Amino acid sequence: NAGVTQTPKFQVLKTGQSMTLQCAQDMNHNSMYWYRQDPGMGLRLIYYSASEGTTDKGEVPNGYNVSRLNKREFSLRLESAAPSQTSVYFCASSGRGLGAGELFFGEGSRLTVL
Amino acid sequence: GESVGLHLPTLSVQEGDNSIINCAYSNSASDYFIWYKQESGKGPQFIIDIRSNMDKRQGQRVTVLLNKTVKHLSLQIAATQPGDSAVYFCAENWRGGNMLTFGGGTRLMVKP
Repeated sequence: NAGVTQTPKFQVLKTGQSMTLQCAQDMNHNSMYWYRQDPGMGLRLIYYSASEGTTDKGEVPNGYNVSRLNKREFSLRLESAAPSQTSVYFCASSGRGLGAGELFFGEGSRLTVL
Repeated sequence: GESVGLHLPTLSVQEGDNSIINCAYSNSASDYFIWYKQESGKGPQFIIDIRSNMDKRQGQRVTVLLNKTVKHLSLQIAATQPGDSAVYFCAENWRGGNMLTFGGGTRLMVKP
């Protein structure tokens, strides 16, 4: 049972390049989330998806797009990367509804934008 | 705006001692709180949660206390072990219940 799997684990981009972070969970959870974590700060919510087919903005959505491809997969896309998007990105899922219950996190994807 | 914060960014304790990590919250409408542990290079892991209708909840070696009067949350770790060394985050459920908001984290260092 892998839980939440993110790819890639590390990525270096140049300003203006695009990329997609992939996330998959095998726990049959309805809710999925993308957070970013900057040094010395807590996690900030970028986007979330309450269920397959729905997505909503979180605290810091600017510069990002998401796709809930199916119940298992939730991807995060940077269309034109900026140095301010250098961060560690975490995908999470929950089976108990939005904002309540345990979130299961992936190992993180460390992104550097030069 | 409303926020969750922590009093101490770094806490150093002796192995075997008890640890107390504190968290202040300012949103009186928050009704659910969680503590997460994050080890270096890993994603956060759930430790314990508590709802606002409770004052205390115990787990294995951990206890969460909620004081709604002063909007304060604490995590107590009994007999702290080297494996407890990590960054600890509190999080609260607000904004209409659609998301968890995380505090800035406290680093716990356990001295052998």
